[in-house]
Amino acid sequence: AQSVAQPEDQVNVAEGNPLTVKCTYSVSGNPYLFWYVQYPNRGLQFLLKYITGDNLVKGSYGFEAEFNKSQTSFHLKKPSALVSDSALYFCAVRDGQAGTALIFGKGTTLSVSS
Amino acid sequence: GAGVSQSPRYKVAKRGQDVALRCDPISGHVSLFWYQQALGQGPEFLTYFQNEAQLDKSGLPSDRFFAERPEGSVSTLKIQRTQQEDSAVYLCASSFRDRGPDTQYFGPGTRLTVL
Repeated sequence: AQSVAQPEDQVNVAEGNPLTVKCTYSVSGNPYLFWYVQYPNRGLQFLLKYITGDNLVKGSYGFEAEFNKSQTSFHLKKPSALVSDSALYFCAVRDGQAGTALIFGKGTTLSVSS
Repeated sequence: GAGVSQSPRYKVAKRGQDVALRCDPISGHVSLFWYQQALGQGPEFLTYFQNEAQLDKSGLPSDRFFAERPEGSVSTLKIQRTQQEDSAVYLCASSFRDRGPDTQYFGPGTRLTVL
């Protein structure tokens, strides 16, 4: 069965410091991996995705994510956090061979302090 | 339109009432998905359409939930005889194709509160 784990409910970081939001996944086939961000009372906004190829994926607003097949991880990173990055972040996976729906993690709240 | 739109944004229903939630996908997108997001949780899949065909409804929690997309564009999610456990945010997403790595783009959601 497909699943996504985001082990941290909340991540706190000071503005200007690097941030990491962790995600691990489980699928039977090849994974397509996604990160979305959700601001209060807003829908999910797409940040980036991994399909194949280069393990480091760059996305919107300076975010990037590193795909690690051996660790089945897809951690979201940013070199220098902004207060405006404070939001709820969701990792999602789709089975490249069998899936249509996205399977989401529970989400991680990122809080960036000034 | 520029993005996925949903209406109403907020809906309050008394237990036992029927509700209808509307989704307007991005123009030209073949695939349309409905998800349910409970408080403090990630979205969970409900159902999926490819054009007007409902190809997967495995996530619908009960036979009180019904979705349609009769002309392959706008979709409606209907919940009959609402229960308190139906309270959640209902998200609609669309993508250009159904499989592969296509990105699903989400609407703002409809927050349903059942009293």
